[in-house]
Amino acid sequence: EIVLTQSPGTLSLSPGERATLSCRASQNLGGSSLAWYQQKPGQAPRLLVYNISSRYTGIPDRFSGSGSGTDFTLTISRLEPEDFAVYFCQQCVSSAITFGQGTRLEIK
Amino acid sequence: VQLVESGGGLVQPGGSLRLSCAASRFAIGNYWMTWVRQAPGKGLEWVASINDIGSQKQYVDSVKGRFIVSRDNGKNSLFLQMSTLRAEDTAVYYCVTGRYSHGYWGQGTLVTVSS
Repeated sequence: EIVLTQSPGTLSLSPGERATLSCRASQNLGGSSLAWYQQKPGQAPRLLVYNISSRYTGIPDRFSGSGSGTDFTLTISRLEPEDFAVYFCQQCVSSAITFGQGTRLEIK
Repeated sequence: VQLVESGGGLVQPGGSLRLSCAASRFAIGNYWMTWVRQAPGKGLEWVASINDIGSQKQYVDSVKGRFIVSRDNGKNSLFLQMSTLRAEDTAVYYCVTGRYSHGYWGQGTLVTVSS
């Protein structure tokens, strides 16, 4: 099983700041097969980015994904109040799909 | 696109439950479909996926031999038959599109396994 480790566990920032969230895989994921989701309390997750860097339909361009191999990053260029939530990464290289444990982005 | 799960509830350890997911304004017949669960206060866990015609099924190790994913494309529906349920199966179960990068999610149905 491929383990995804997200860091930090909690990130405290202010609106307008830049957020950098990390997702590290226990095995090489190659050049695709990593997605990012946002989840707010009481809601289902929402797909933000797929195939490492492709923004999903309707996702603002302040969200961007990057990385390759085992190290991946979700960057939110300028935080809006609605961006404070929990973020998960997901891989599908192996037949056993796995999620990271999540990063909580909270208002400082 | 709307995905609506049903069938959750309280069940005793060792019991069974069948979850359903009805899709509307979206034909699931051309897509992989997946169940993802989330234990209370915890992260997301992929549970099972099924390909467009139901010929390929994949499961997380912890549910292999206990859960069966199936679909009825004619009724635009996805199912999860859960048996020999354990306390650790307690979670909200989401029906989602695709095997990966799930663009559409249902609202989830809560399964509680407790005596």
